[in-house]
Amino acid sequence: AQSVTQLDSQVPVFEEAPVELRCNYSSSVSVYLFWYVQYPNQGLQLLLKYLSGSTLVESINGFEAEFNKSQTSFHLRKPSVHISDTAEYFCAVSDLTGTASKLTFGTGTRLQVTL
Amino acid sequence: DSGVTQTPKHLITATGQRVTLRCSPRSGDLSVYWYQQSLDQGLQFLIQYYNGEERAKGNILERFSAQQFPDLHSELNLSSLELGDSALYFCASSVLAGRNEQFFGPGTRLTVL
Repeated sequence: AQSVTQLDSQVPVFEEAPVELRCNYSSSVSVYLFWYVQYPNQGLQLLLKYLSGSTLVESINGFEAEFNKSQTSFHLRKPSVHISDTAEYFCAVSDLTGTASKLTFGTGTRLQVTL
Repeated sequence: DSGVTQTPKHLITATGQRVTLRCSPRSGDLSVYWYQQSLDQGLQFLIQYYNGEERAKGNILERFSAQQFPDLHSELNLSSLELGDSALYFCASSVLAGRNEQFFGPGTRLTVL
């Protein structure tokens, strides 16, 4: 079985400050890793993903995440946040075995950006 | 816009009733997933279908059932509704069963009174 732990339920940060949202996972098999973002009253949008290859992955809006196998982590970072980044962020894992590919989500981290 | 559509957007009903939620996947996607998002349980996987066949089951109650039709749209049926079934229900789709990048619809908010 897999599990995902997002250590911070809420992260308040000032605009233009850096931020890190933490994600740790547990799995007995190799996994794919994802970050999804949920804006108020909206569905989930894929922010970035790690499937294979380079352990550092980037999104088009300045977020990046680094897969660390030894620490079983996939922390999300942004060097300078904007008010529009205020949202709920979910880390998710999916295993590589078989053809069933459900996502197991963490409990989410609410990023609150203020002026 | 992910390309996944869900109807209705909101649904208000009473305990004991039955409802049907509908999902149309992105064009070309064969796999459909259903998730439930609630305050106490977070985001939970319910069930997956691939090209009309059930592929995986998660924390889905026996009162709930789903199916995927030949045109690939899917329906989630919730019966004997209880207050605790109030939640956001998301549908997601992906190209293949084993390809794990999933695209989510806007969700259906179910309120059971």
